[in-house]
Amino acid sequence: QSVLTQPPSVSAAPGQKVTISCSGSSSNIGNNYVSWYQQFPGTAPKLLIYENNKRPSGIPDRFSGSKSGTSATLGITGLQTGDEADYYCGTWDSSLSAGVFGGGTKLTVL
Amino acid sequence: EVQVVESGGGLVQPGGSLRLSCAASGFTFSSYWMSWVRQAPGKGLEWVANIKQDGSEKYYVDSVKGRFTISRDNAKNSLYLQMNSLRAEDTAVYYCARDWVAAADCWGQGTLVTVSS
Repeated sequence: QSVLTQPPSVSAAPGQKVTISCSGSSSNIGNNYVSWYQQFPGTAPKLLIYENNKRPSGIPDRFSGSKSGTSATLGITGLQTGDEADYYCGTWDSSLSAGVFGGGTKLTVL
Repeated sequence: EVQVVESGGGLVQPGGSLRLSCAASGFTFSSYWMSWVRQAPGKGLEWVANIKQDGSEKYYVDSVKGRFTISRDNAKNSLYLQMNSLRAEDTAVYYCARDWVAAADCWGQGTLVTVSS
């Protein structure tokens, strides 16, 4: 049972938009920055979003992040088959004094 | 090129010990917090531990407290994870990651630890 809650799967057609939610509490998302990661099978995770809504160099603007209260959202527009991957949210939990991740969301581009 | 490379994984019996290493290059290692993150087969990411630039602060997930120890050698640009009293549930790919603005921006390829008799 992960501290952060994500939907197990989402799907959408190529070219469409999808959002992935990440729900937490005041001890984690509510008072700390959220980051998002993309992971393809058999490979290491890759940072997509940091500080809630910022993209590292090289990440296309099709990927966006937002945060409101104790929830965060990853948005992906102009879906491509190459976006099929697992997506994880992460943050710090001030009560646990530990990093926490969501359980991950598998994106299928139909 | 900014890079971290893990090593030291392998097969170990329950109750045994293993020491993972992470060699960093392409950046000023001593300027960054560093973390270990693991992923059990077919499961999601689990944060394990992190350590401050000078090693003065260390944090652990509850499930490894008292069994795992994170450390670093800034002179050798290296991060370590000493794992004792290993359990079957510690079986996972262990990733070394650089912490940057409250996120992990550089990950290694991972090293597999299998705890089994």
